[in-house]
Amino acid sequence: GQSLEQPSEVTAVEGAIVQINCTYQTSGFYGLSWYQQHDGGAPTFLSYNALDGLEETGRFSSFLSRSDSYGYLLLQELQMKDSASYFCAGPNYGGSQGNLIFGKGTKLSVKP
Amino acid sequence: KAGVTQTPRYLIKTRGQQVTLSCSPISGHRSVSWYQQTPGQGLQFLFEYFSETQRNKGNFPGRFSGRQFSNSRSEMNVSTLELGDSALYLCASSPGTSGMIRGGELFFGEGSRLTVL
Repeated sequence: GQSLEQPSEVTAVEGAIVQINCTYQTSGFYGLSWYQQHDGGAPTFLSYNALDGLEETGRFSSFLSRSDSYGYLLLQELQMKDSASYFCAGPNYGGSQGNLIFGKGTKLSVKP
Repeated sequence: KAGVTQTPRYLIKTRGQQVTLSCSPISGHRSVSWYQQTPGQGLQFLFEYFSETQRNKGNFPGRFSGRQFSNSRSEMNVSTLELGDSALYLCASSPGTSGMIRGGELFFGEGSRLTVL
């Protein structure tokens, strides 16, 4: 079946850099998205990689290697407000824009 | 631009009852998807609607149903509630197209938190 695996928890200190990995097993994979969700809040879109390589958006970067079925989210200059859960997601094979498979999420704790 | 609005935000039901949740997408968005979020299973796709038609359905029992209206607003219904249906139900909208495209950005509402006693 299709699945995305990511670590359940990561802890880092303010100002540091953290990388959240995501490996996937799907057939006909069409790119990787990343979402952030604060406790009690709505998931919000961070980035999408359709092709191999690095996408940079401010302090956040995302990377995809389709040959390795692997991607990661890189958060730089960590701030306390980055404490949240981060989800990787991919489109269901044969599915449409709103039909995504999500990883179980990585809870990031940023310490002072 | 107003975001995705879900109502009610919180509700408590008892086993055997049914519940209807509502979602108003971002103006102009034609695709609405529903997800169930639980601590154990994470975010799981329920179904997607586009132009009043169900485009995809996840692996959930027939007790879970939905519909979309001509103004793109959507409702989902869960009948004969079970304890395991306690979850955060999230609605997401996107511009959508008449075809199948992959990836891209979904805009989520803050969800309806259902507790089944």
